[in-house]
Amino acid sequence: QSALTQPASVSGSPGQSITISCTGTSSDVGSYNYVSWYQQHPGKAPKLMIYDVTNRPSGVSNRFSGSKSGNTASLTISGLQAEDEADYYCSSYTSSSPLVFGGGTKLTVL
Amino acid sequence: QVQLQESGPGLVKPSDTLSLTCAVSDYSISSSNWWGWIRQPPGKGLEWIGSIYYSGSIYYNPSLKSRVTMSVDTSKNQFSLKLSSVTAVDTAVYYCARTGDSSGYYFDYWGQGTLVTVSS
Repeated sequence: QSALTQPASVSGSPGQSITISCTGTSSDVGSYNYVSWYQQHPGKAPKLMIYDVTNRPSGVSNRFSGSKSGNTASLTISGLQAEDEADYYCSSYTSSSPLVFGGGTKLTVL
Repeated sequence: QVQLQESGPGLVKPSDTLSLTCAVSDYSISSSNWWGWIRQPPGKGLEWIGSIYYSGSIYYNPSLKSRVTMSVDTSKNQFSLKLSSVTAVDTAVYYCARTGDSSGYYFDYWGQGTLVTVSS
């Protein structure tokens, strides 16, 4: 069971938009609309930000959006704020597991 | 507001069995949700361990399946994890979580996590 591939780090300035990618295969991201995204601040539990590729839970800012193209899912954060600085993880259903996480991406707000 | 709280020993000896319990408050564990365990080694990423439904249906991570046992106790509104033959690589923060719906593919409520260290 291989983890989904995410960039180790991304950065952006306040007010900008950034996108974090999550690359899988036709056995997971490419074939199922069960991609979710989590935000994790240091020492805290992960927080669900996006589920089923594009859905935002109640209470999550609309600055966060999700999408998918082929085997790659993406999380976009618009109007970047200092509080968005955190680690972000994607997760997907996979036909062999059924759940797998990405390796995580550290977002730095410059 | 659903609340989850992990409990169990913070220190486990190599080759022993790690045992954790997740107590669920303000929500029935017998509702249409799956309940999962996820772990995170210090400084590393998240790893899904397994998920269980109140009826007893279970999915395990294939890489851990031979060592993992999960169970649910509806009378106490809690579920448990056992991981056998632990080694130092099993040192991690262990989280319990609830899935957002009956599909079981995303977690909307998480416990605060508990650090388990494997050391003699």
